[in-house]
Parts: sequence; structure tokens; C-alpha cells
Amino acid sequence: DAGVIQSPRHEVTEMGQEVTLRCKPISGHNSLFWYRQTMMRGLELLIYFNNNVPIDDSGMPEDRFSAKMPNASFSTLKIQPSEPRDSAVYFCASSFQEGGNQPQHFGDGTRLSIL
Amino acid sequence: GNSVTQMEGPVTLSEEAFLTINCTYTATGYPSLFWYVQYPGEGLQLLLKATKADDKGSNKGFEATYRKETTSFHLEKGSVQVSDSAVYFCALAAYSGAGSYQLTFGKGTKLSVIP
Repeated sequence: DAGVIQSPRHEVTEMGQEVTLRCKPISGHNSLFWYRQTMMRGLELLIYFNNNVPIDDSGMPEDRFSAKMPNASFSTLKIQPSEPRDSAVYFCASSFQEGGNQPQHFGDGTRLSIL
Repeated sequence: GNSVTQMEGPVTLSEEAFLTINCTYTATGYPSLFWYVQYPGEGLQLLLKATKADDKGSNKGFEATYRKETTSFHLEKGSVQVSDSAVYFCALAAYSGAGSYQLTFGKGTKLSVIP
């Protein structure tokens, strides 16, 4: 079975550019999560969706960040304009939420470098 | 609020040594507990889980027991291998509203096993 698929795996761009990260969750999962991982802050939850609806975006650092989930099989995280401090590994995860004992399945991440 | 505290790393062990990584949590209600492992350049993978008090999760020689009285979920392995070198995350899942469960992660413990 295919796992969570993220693209691109690596992205290097100059500050001020728009960056779009993509995620395809596992088929049948109804929740999707976006995380950011850095050495300084560890793993941070940015936003999550349940049945394609954003539930909690309190972790989104600022208005430059936005996320969408137009359907059950696709989500995007966009940064516009990008800044060097946005450099991190961004993970997408999905799960089937029922009772809280179902684990999240992570993609391999997008390593983002903003120059 | 919910929180997870795990022992600071890094931890360096010789092959075949005994491993313990401590994890304690604070949560309202009865959360499910997880250990995730992250190998270099990859996303987090579920290692084991426990959904209620006194449950023991186990996988690949790793074990952890859900201790409600001490709010702990310590990870153990009797004999580590070089291939176990990775970062280990303790996490809890708690209800966050609108039918969704959110993971709260510890900061991670880096394990290095030397031959």
C-alpha cells in the first residue's frame, strides 16, 4: 500500500519566492496534519484537517503560511513570501480518526531551504 | 494542557546493551500513548502503541507499558543493535474537538549504538 506521499522532497529557493508543498494522504484516511521540524524547535504542528475541513490552524506561524485541502486525496501548504527562517523539514501525516487510538502515518518530508 | 516529557539525549550505547528511554506525560482524560522512531532523512514511523492503562506495546524487540499511576510510558529494549540508531519520540493522542484527535510529541531522544 502507498504511504503518505509528499512532493517535492527537496526545495531550494530565494527569499521572497512563493513555495508550495504538496501532500497525498493514505486513501481512506480522514485526517491530515502538517508539521514543521527544526533543530531549535523540534516537531511543531502547524495545522490539521478533519474530513477536509481545517480544525485548528493555531500553529501556523503567520499570515504568510496558508494550507488547503480541496479534496480527500490532496493538500497543499503554501508560504508566500518565503523567508530564510522558514527553512525546515515539513512533514505531512494522515490518519483515520476513530477513538484516538489510530496512529498518524508520516510522509518522508520536504526539506525546504530558503536562501 | 497536554504535555510529554522525555529524557534528554543524545544517548550512546554499545551494541547489545540495555536501553531505557524515559517518558512521562500530563493529560486530561485517558490518552492513547505512542512511540515513534525517525531514521535519518525519513519521516516518523510508528514503533508501538498502548491505548489503556497496563497495556504493553511491543515491536521489533522494543516494549513500553502504559503506567497510569506514574503517568509514564518508558521505552525499553533488552539488546540494542547498530540499526536501532535513530531519534525516538514519545507522543500522546488526546481529543481536540470536532471529532479529531491531536498528537502531542516529546522533543525526541537521539540514540546512537556503536559496534
